[in-house]
Order: sequence, then structure tokens, then C-alpha cells
Amino acid sequence: EADIYQTPRYLVIGTGKKITLECSQTMGHDKMYWYQQDPGMELHLIHYSYGVNSTEKGDLSSESTVSRIRTEHFPLTLESARPSHTSQYLCASSERTDTEAFFGQGTRLTVV
Amino acid sequence: EDQVTQSPEALRLQEGESSSLNCSYTVSGLRGLFWYRQDPGKGPEFLFTLYSAGEEKEKERLKATLTKKESFLHITAPKPEDSATYLCAVPGLEGNTPLVFGKGTRLSVIA
Repeated sequence: EADIYQTPRYLVIGTGKKITLECSQTMGHDKMYWYQQDPGMELHLIHYSYGVNSTEKGDLSSESTVSRIRTEHFPLTLESARPSHTSQYLCASSERTDTEAFFGQGTRLTVV
Repeated sequence: EDQVTQSPEALRLQEGESSSLNCSYTVSGLRGLFWYRQDPGKGPEFLFTLYSAGEEKEKERLKATLTKKESFLHITAPKPEDSATYLCAVPGLEGNTPLVFGKGTRLSVIA
């Protein structure tokens, strides 16, 4: 069973608020990822990290930022939430880029 | 050009009606192919990894196979609880890049 956790599971927040979505894994994986997914749609990679102090932008442009200060922790921050940020955000980790990735349960974000 | 293409986009089966989902890929020198199951509102759940043409993996009613061009997820005598979106993924074209996911096949199994 994968040990990767996301909090909160659901978040409803007003426009302009700053939010941080938390993601932690206990598997010691160096590789971590953030994906964005709208209902019934495909996964879009928005950020990834290959280790501490390493962060890269993904294929989908995102106004969010990430940090990787500790191996187990990969938070995603939105400085000023907008309704267009409403989506599901999924965090994942893997041992290498050519091994299976394990996903958290996701955070469903609604910006009103 | 998409590296991973899944078909069909959606599939509706009667309970017990076996079928197959397809995942074709364009990368050469495949370094693995991964199948996931995703239930609505949840994160994808890892199912199988395949590395070599001819390789097969099984789990309950699911069997994944791999050729040099594509992978199949065979579902034998499906039950309503098998209803989900099934995703496949391959490592990116450039070395050391994240997995590239297909758009998935939405499977509905009707009792």
C-alpha cells in the first residue's frame, strides 16, 4: 500500500486567498510530482521534483509554486486563488522516473 | 505527437462480458509501461508494470500484456465494481522525465 498523503481532501476558499496544499510520503522517494485534473479529464503535470532543492515546471502552465526542502514533503502554494484554479490536485512519488508512481487521494479545490 | 494513445475512450459492458482495453505507444526503447485504475474523485491506483514484449501480469479479473507497439488490459467476466477509468503511462521521451499518461478508458460494467 502506498504511503503518500495529501491534505486537505477538500477545500473551498474565497478568491484572492493564499493556500498551500500539503503532500507527504514516507517511502523515501526522491521523485515527486503534482498533477492537475478536472472531472472526467486527463492528468496534467504541473510541477515535479527530483530531490531536495530541485523543482521543475511541468507540461501545463500553472500559477502555483512548489518547494522541496525535505525529501518527504512537497507542498504546492497558490498566492492568490482564482475561480480558474478550481480543480483536483494530485500528488505522486516514485523511486525513479522509469518506475511506478504512487498517488495520494488528491485535494479537491473550489475557489468561489 | 501523443506518446500514449488509449482506446476506446469509453466502454460499456454487461456483467460477465469480457473485453480488452488498448494502450499504444510511440516511444522506442521502452523503459516500462504502467497501468492504473482511477475511481471518480480519487487518485490513480497502481495496477501493473510491464517491461518486456511478451510479458504478462494478472490480478483477479485483470490481465495486462505487452507487445513492441502496444499493451492490452484484458478484463475477464467483469463485475460492476470493475467500473473505473483505466490509465496507462510510459516514461517520457527524454531520459529522466516524468511518466506520460494516456487520456484513459472509462469502463462501465452494468449488472
